[in-house]
Amino acid sequence: NAGVTQTPKFRVLKTGQSMTLLCAQDMNHEYMYWYRQDPGMGLRLIHYSVGEGTTAKGEVPDGYNVSRLKKQNFLLGLESAAPSQTSVYFCASSDGGVGANVLTFGAGSRLTVL
Amino acid sequence: ILNVEQSPQSLHVQEGDSTNFTCSFPSSNFYALHWYRWETAKSPEALFVMTLNGDEKKKGRISATLNTKEGYSYLYIKGSQPEDSATYLCASPGSSASKIIFGSGTRLSIRP
Repeated sequence: NAGVTQTPKFRVLKTGQSMTLLCAQDMNHEYMYWYRQDPGMGLRLIHYSVGEGTTAKGEVPDGYNVSRLKKQNFLLGLESAAPSQTSVYFCASSDGGVGANVLTFGAGSRLTVL
Repeated sequence: ILNVEQSPQSLHVQEGDSTNFTCSFPSSNFYALHWYRWETAKSPEALFVMTLNGDEKKKGRISATLNTKEGYSYLYIKGSQPEDSATYLCASPGSSASKIIFGSGTRLSIRP
């Protein structure tokens, strides 16, 4: 089983460029999440989705947009990348259930904005 | 915004010693408490999810307890081994049951 797959794994952008990170899961999970990892700050929630066609803001949503057009995919977009968005991005999914189901994580996508 | 806090930030333990660390969370509107293990250059992996006050979970040498009334959970590692070196994260849903917020983690290093 593939689980949660993130593409691309690495990307270097120039300030002002745009890009989309793709997260795909094959476990038929309802909930999907995008987190960013920053040194000393653990994982911070950017946006999440509780089902196809839904999205909601997390802790640090500014500068990012998301879409969940299909249940298995959750896209994270950066419209105009900034150096502060240099980070490792993790996608995760779960079966939902009032937060009582564990998250399954992807391998991460390392983004550098110059 | 829900505050999930972990202490200590880092811990160095001699191989064979037992250790524990803390996760604290707001006790109101509690849904669940998650623990994850995160090795360097890998993805976080789930250890436990706990939902009931007084819950205790165990996986090998690792165990966790939950006190929802006072808003804390302890993670215990008995007889630490080098392979236990990792960052341990706790997480909890906030006011929205689906909005899962992580603490900043406890980084555990085991000295041989």
